[in-house]
Amino acid sequence: GQQVMQIPQYQHVQEGEDFTTYCNSSTTLSNIQWYKQRPGGHPVFLIQLVKSGEVKKQKRLTFQFGEAKKNSSLHITATQTTDVGTYFCAGSPNSGYALNFGKGTSLLVTP
Amino acid sequence: ETGVTQTPRHLVMGMTNKKSLKCEQHLGHNAMYWYKQSAKKPLELMFVYNFKEQTENNSVPSRFSPECPNSSHLFLHLHTLQPEDSALYLCASSQDQETSEAFFGQGTRLTVV
Repeated sequence: GQQVMQIPQYQHVQEGEDFTTYCNSSTTLSNIQWYKQRPGGHPVFLIQLVKSGEVKKQKRLTFQFGEAKKNSSLHITATQTTDVGTYFCAGSPNSGYALNFGKGTSLLVTP
Repeated sequence: ETGVTQTPRHLVMGMTNKKSLKCEQHLGHNAMYWYKQSAKKPLELMFVYNFKEQTENNSVPSRFSPECPNSSHLFLHLHTLQPEDSALYLCASSQDQETSEAFFGQGTRLTVV
């Protein structure tokens, strides 16, 4: 079945440093979504990418979808302590199954 | 507030108990989901309902029994659980099953003793 892999599992940065998490799928995805879960909270939708090679920005966050629609990345510029949490990617294959989530990347930002 | 409400927020149950988790969404969505989140295997998809019909069951043990009486409500009936079933159970809904964003409830923290 489809698998969505995420790396790294954990990342610890100093405030102001950049951060990137990568997501790879074993199959072509119809779309990919990114979610953020704060400690003790629930996943909250950030963005959806649909087109091959698509790039979207939200303030300090940049999301990319690979040309082959099998990989994606989330890059945070100049991290802040409010960026702490676990970032999940989630995708569904062309055959129309529900979202499969990666295991997430837990980001810790120290001031 | 995401529009998806889960009750109870916390539950402690013995291995011989029977309990139910409830999820309600006020968003007019057609698809609803149960996810299990534990330290070892984050965000495992358990069940999917689309227009009240179960469309996915990811090899979940029969001690977990879902029920979707209408498109706004989803239940997860629990019986004879094991300690390893202790986890955060998250309900989510989306406009459709495939491409739209998922809105999560705050989850039920389940502890099996």
